[in-house]
Amino acid sequence: GQQVMQIPQYQHVQEGEDFTTYCNSSTTLSNIQWYKQRPGGHPVFLIQLVKSGEVKKQKRLTFQFGEAKKNSSLHITATQTTDVGTYFCGSAGGTSYGKLTFGQGTILTVHP
Amino acid sequence: NAGVTQTPKFQVLKTGQSMTLQCAQDMNHEYMSWYRQDPGMGLRLIHYSVGAGITDQGEVPNGYNVSRSTTEDFPLRLLSAAPSQTSVYFCASSYGQGGYEQYFGPGTRLTVT
Repeated sequence: GQQVMQIPQYQHVQEGEDFTTYCNSSTTLSNIQWYKQRPGGHPVFLIQLVKSGEVKKQKRLTFQFGEAKKNSSLHITATQTTDVGTYFCGSAGGTSYGKLTFGQGTILTVHP
Repeated sequence: NAGVTQTPKFQVLKTGQSMTLQCAQDMNHEYMSWYRQDPGMGLRLIHYSVGAGITDQGEVPNGYNVSRSTTEDFPLRLLSAAPSQTSVYFCASSYGQGGYEQYFGPGTRLTVT
């Protein structure tokens, strides 16, 4: 089965509001990756987190890896219509040499 | 570099027909994989390969075959298509397994009637 569970499945926000999606696992993860898929497109890599408690930022996006390495979050500050799409987290599980499996994804809709 | 290419972009099959989805990459990546994407199910791993001549099953391998005779190509075969295989299929490649950035192809939208 899937290594990671992702919530929420859908999120509708008004432009300018913040957005957060969460990725959870029952086991310790070696890494977590985040991808964005625009409508009709293919997933595109955003970032990888590997250290306990790691926080990385990309402009309005903030990525966190939990202290126990069992959960992660992606937070978008002041959403824009260009943020529309599906956000996926993925992990190789307990080893970075494992196959990569993904969560169910969060579909973000931004209303102008 | 073309990156990861997939053909065809769209395909309609009748139940019981067979076909091969093509995937090629020009980045000399060792690791390649196939995912299917269905609404509410995210990306599910079908098969993957860690190098030429080596393949293994993912989460949902039933009904699909793969082979990896070269580093560049990783075709996915449907031997007898079923309506449950209606989906969008993505091929991906990377330098290594789960700890590396995955590069996805543009996808193949398959409908089985």
